[in-house]
Parts: sequence; C-alpha cells; structure tokens
Amino acid sequence: GENVEQHPSTLSVQEGDSAVIKCTYSDSASNYFPWYKQELGKGPQLIIDIRSNVGEKKDQRIAVTLNKTAKHFSLHITETQPEDSAVYFCAAGNTGFQKLVFGTGTRLLVSP
Amino acid sequence: DAGITQSPRHKVTETGTPVTLRCHQTENHRYMYWYRQDPGHGLRLIHYSYGVKDTDKGEVSDGYSVSRSKTEDFLLTLESATSSQTSVYFCATDNGGEQYFGPGTRLTVT
Repeated sequence: GENVEQHPSTLSVQEGDSAVIKCTYSDSASNYFPWYKQELGKGPQLIIDIRSNVGEKKDQRIAVTLNKTAKHFSLHITETQPEDSAVYFCAAGNTGFQKLVFGTGTRLLVSP
Repeated sequence: DAGITQSPRHKVTETGTPVTLRCHQTENHRYMYWYRQDPGHGLRLIHYSYGVKDTDKGEVSDGYSVSRSKTEDFLLTLESATSSQTSVYFCATDNGGEQYFGPGTRLTVT
C-alpha cells in the first residue's frame, strides 16, 4: 500500500522568510496530493492540492510542486507570517473516491 | 468545515464500555471517512463509506465498527473501549473532489 514520508517534523523560521516542507510517496498509482493546515484544537483544513497532470500550482503565498518521476512533492510558503504557524500535513491518494494516506506532519513556527 | 459536525466533542469513558461517535454532514456528500490522529502517526483511516449502507475497512479498523443508515450520518462505534483507543477522532467527507474534515472528538479511555 501507499506510504508517505514527510520532512522536517518541525520547522522554525523568522517572519518574512520562506518555508519548504517535503513529502515522498511510494505508490506510483497515486495521482492526488493535498496539503492540510491544522491549527490547535481544530480539524485539518485543505489549503492547496495538486493532481499528477500538473507539475506546479500556486495560490498567493502558497505553492506546491510535484515530481512524479522521483515521487516527491513539496509545499512552499513565501513571506511567512505568524498566523502561518500550525501543523501541516501532506497526503497522497487518488482523485474521485479518496483513501488518503497522510504524512506525520510538520510543525511550523513563524517568529515575529 | 463544509457543514460537518461531530458529537460529542469530548468524552471520557472507562475501559470495556461501548462508545459511539457521530458525524453529521449537510453537504450531501457521498463519501465519508473516520480517521484517528495520534502523535507521531498523523491521520490514519479507520473506516470509510461510499454510500448508504456501503462501508469498508481502513488501515486501523480493529476494534471499531461503523454504520451509515442515512447520507448525512456516519457513526463510529467502539464495542469495548481500550486505552489504546484514546485518541482524537476526525470525520471527513468528499464528493469525489476535495476532502473536508470535521472539528474532531477527543476520546479518553481510562
């Protein structure tokens, strides 16, 4: 079955810096890769996703890149702000009915 | 939150007692999921449903059962709770597109 590894487990940056979180997956049949942000005491919130027919997707300060050959995808946050502090999860699955497999999460801390 | 509510939000129960968690959605999504979240493990799929009365096992289904008698409700039951089932439980839904999560239920088994 699918296995998703996520690095780093914690990431501390200064406000205004960029942050990059990386994930690798094992199942070449996976074609859907969402990223979730989870704030303390809340459920995960979808922030961006990418499908395997696209190499990069951007939404304001957030971007995701996908390398199907190497089976890895990354989340890039530019101009970080304190409100970006949260735990971020990557996941891999298939479009349509989704049995997502999640990474173990990255705790991002943005210091003012 | 895509119209997803979970109840109860917090529960403390004793080992050996049955527990039922409820997930209710107002989006008429076809697919519903139950996950558990534990430190160091991320989110792991317990059971899922692809329609009314259609359910199947996920990665960590031992000790759990589910039922879906209506599109909007998906119940997770721990027949005899154990301390290893202390966790935060999340329900999620999707309609073949993005998956949305509920606010979670924190369950403590003493």
